Amino acid sequence: EPEVTQTPSHQVTQMGQEVILRCVPISNHLYFYWYRQILGQKVEFLVSFYNNEISEKSEIFDDQFSVERPDGSNFTLKIRSTKLEDSAMYFCASRLWGGETQYFGPGTRLLVL
Amino acid sequence: SQQGEEDPQALSIQEGENATMNCSYKTSINNLQWYRQNSGRGLVHLILIRSNEREKHSGRLRVTLDTSKKSSSLLITASRAADTASYFCATGRDDKIIFGKGTRLHILP
Repeated sequence: EPEVTQTPSHQVTQMGQEVILRCVPISNHLYFYWYRQILGQKVEFLVSFYNNEISEKSEIFDDQFSVERPDGSNFTLKIRSTKLEDSAMYFCASRLWGGETQYFGPGTRLLVL
Repeated sequence: SQQGEEDPQALSIQEGENATMNCSYKTSINNLQWYRQNSGRGLVHLILIRSNEREKHSGRLRVTLDTSKKSSSLLITASRAADTASYFCATGRDDKIIFGKGTRLHILP
């Protein structure tokens, strides 16, 4: 069964460094999302992406964040200058055109020191 | 906010018993979904119920939705040790999902 995949599974970085989190959505899906979950808290929506542009973004998704679909398969989340409070599990999700279900990847655990 | 809020926050039951978790939300929705998360792992989609549906089944899962009360319930029948996880209700509207805080379910052997 097709799955959303994410790399790396874990990333440790120093505060102020840039990180890029990578996702490969399910191949025929057209809608892509990033969510995050700070340890012990609920999963929060960050951004949705369709047709090579952002559809919606939350207040969390400030100028330090950006998303890109650099080729036909990858979907990336970049954090330009990481802060301690960016430490979280980041989930990518994708959805089929006309579908209602978002399918989530296994997540990338980001730790900012 | 249209976030879902699950009740109870934590639930421990004996293996073989049924587990019921409830969710309430605040605004209109297109659908309501339940996800499972094993400790520190990814989110697994369990079931989706549309706003015009009242009940849905999938294997040992039964979901109900009452849009007049803005509430949903998830019933897991004949629980197994492998059902130990956190369960989240998530409301869908305008193409984003709003998650609740989850119910931590622990199945005792």
